[in-house]
This record gives sequence, C-alpha cells and structure tokens, in this order.
Amino acid sequence: GNSVTQMEGPVTLSEEAFLTINCTYTATGYPSLFWYVQYPGEGLQLLLKATKADDKGSNKGFEATYRKETTSFHLEKGSVQVSDSAVYFCALNAGNNRKLIWGLGTSLAVNP
Amino acid sequence: KAGVTQTPRYLIKTRGQQVTLSCSPISGHRSVSWYQQTPGQGLQFLFEYFSETQRNKGNFPGRFSGRQFSNSRSEMNVSTLELGDSALYLCASSPDRGRLSYGYTFGSGTRLTVV
Repeated sequence: GNSVTQMEGPVTLSEEAFLTINCTYTATGYPSLFWYVQYPGEGLQLLLKATKADDKGSNKGFEATYRKETTSFHLEKGSVQVSDSAVYFCALNAGNNRKLIWGLGTSLAVNP
Repeated sequence: KAGVTQTPRYLIKTRGQQVTLSCSPISGHRSVSWYQQTPGQGLQFLFEYFSETQRNKGNFPGRFSGRQFSNSRSEMNVSTLELGDSALYLCASSPDRGRLSYGYTFGSGTRLTVV
C-alpha cells in the first residue's frame, strides 16, 4: 500500500543553519506530494506541494523537489529562523482516493 | 476569505458519553474531510464528505460518524466515548472534486479529552 516515511526527530538547529528533513514514499502511479507544518497549538498549514516528477515546490524559503527515481520529497531551507520551530509533515495523495497518507512528522526546534 | 472554522476548540467528556464536533469549510469548498491526530498513531483519515455524501471512509469503528449539510458545513459524532478517542480532530476543506492536487486547508482542530 501507499506509505510515507519521514526522518525521526526531534531536529535541533541553531538559527541560520541549513535544514533538511528527509521524506520518502511508496505509492502506485504518480502521487501528489505535500509538506504541511503544524505550529504549537494549531492545525496544519500547507507549506508546499508538487504534483509531478521533477516539480519543485517552494514557499517561505522552504523547497522540496519531487524525485520519482528516488521516490523522495526532501524538505530544505537554507537558513532557518526561530519562528520555523514546528512539526513538519510529509504527505501524499495517490490515485482517485482523496485522502492524504501522512508521515509521522518531524519536530524542529531552532535555537537563537 | 474566512478559513476553516472548527468548534469547539476544546472538549472534555466522560467515557461512555457522545460528542458532536462542527466544521465550517471555506466558502465555496464542497469537500470536507476529517482526520484524527494522536501522538501514537499520527494523522489518520476518518471520512470525507462532498455535496452531502460520504465519498471515502477510513478504518474507524462505527462509533465514528459524520454528515454534511447543504451549506457544506459538516459535523462528526463519536458515540460511546473511550479513553483512546482522546485526540485532536482536524477538519479540512478542499475545492477539488477529482484528484487532491491542491491539498487541504485545515482548521485549528478540536482537542477532545475523554476522562
């Protein structure tokens, strides 16, 4: 079946450090891929998405490229800020089934 | 444009009781989905409604049910609450009818605690 695997957290970085959160997936066909972010006490916000191979999603300095050959969608940011501290979720949607399949989330803490 | 509104934000219920959660989607969105989020299981899909019809259902017992009204507002109900039902319940709306290419917009969730 379809699944998403994220690197385990927590990830702790200093401000202005480079961030990578790994995400790999298993899916039939050509899924759409998403990164969501959850700030403490809040719901989930769509951070970026990609719907076909080699697409790059980007938003707020975050980027992720849909790599079909490695079935990956790693999240990157060149210089993190304290305000980026949150939990990040990778997710996919495959076929005509409209539900999202989620990774378990990666907690990020950025220290000043 | 108003976002997805979930009420109430917090609930405390006793085991065996039932609870109803409400969700108002973004204006114009006809698809509403519900997810349960727990530390142990992560995010799990409950069900999706589109134009008052349940389109998809996750692997939850029959105690979990939902409905959607003609104005796209949705409710979910959990009967005979168990301690394990304690979770953050998230509602999400989408304008899509076919593939979920645009993702969801989520509400802030309802935190349910069963004691």
